[in-house]
Amino acid sequence: QKEVEQNSGPLSVPEGAIASLNCTYSDRGSQSFFWYRQYSGKSPELIMFIYSNGDKEDGRFTAQLNKASQYVSLLIRDSQPSDSATYLCADANNAGNMLTFGGGTRLMVKP
Amino acid sequence: ETGVTQSPTHLIKTRGQQVTLRCSSQSGHNTVSWYQQALGQGPQFIFQYYREEENGRGNFPPRFSGLQFPNYSSELNVNALELDDSALYLCASSSGTSATYEQYFGPGTRLTVT
Repeated sequence: QKEVEQNSGPLSVPEGAIASLNCTYSDRGSQSFFWYRQYSGKSPELIMFIYSNGDKEDGRFTAQLNKASQYVSLLIRDSQPSDSATYLCADANNAGNMLTFGGGTRLMVKP
Repeated sequence: ETGVTQSPTHLIKTRGQQVTLRCSSQSGHNTVSWYQQALGQGPQFIFQYYREEENGRGNFPPRFSGLQFPNYSSELNVNALELDDSALYLCASSSGTSATYEQYFGPGTRLTVT
C-alpha cells in the first residue's frame, strides 16, 4: 500500500520568513507529485506539481523533488498570514488517475 | 471558486441507510474523481469516472458505487452506511484522466452518520 507521509504540525513561522514543508513517499515508482493548499472548511486547491528531480519555482513557492531519497518539499518565501492553511502533498499512481494524499501539514504564519 | 458544484452541502443519516451525493463538473471537463476526507486527514481516492465508465478505484468496499451521466455530472452512492463513513466527500473534475490534468475540487458534502 503506497503511502505519503507528512508531519501534521502545526508549523509556526513569523510573517516574512521561509516556511519549509516536507513530505516522503513510499512508492519508488512514483513519477509526479502535487502540493495542494486547503483552508479550514474549504476544498483543496492546487499550488504546484513537479515531475523532475530538482527545484521548480512559481512566484513565492518552490517545490523540490529528490527521487533517490523519496522526498518532496515545498518552500514558501516571504510567508504571509494568508498562507496559514493545511498543505497537502500527493503523488499519482502509474496510470496517473489516482492521487494518494498525505495527512497534511498545518502552517500558521504569525504577524 | 471553481465551477464544480456539489449537493447537498450537509447531510445527516442513520447507520444502515443509503445516501446519494451529486457533483456537477466544470464546463469542458469529462472526468470526475471522488475523494473521502475524514476530519484531520488527507483526502482518500474513492474512484474516478471518465466518459460514463469507472476508470480506477481506491481501496473502498463495493457499497461505494458511482455513476457518470452524459453531461459528465456524477453521483456517489453509499449503501449500508457505517459510522466511519462520516466525512467530507469531495468531487474533483478535470479535462482528462491523467493526474497531469489539474483537478478542480468542489466545495464538498459533509456527511454525518449517527
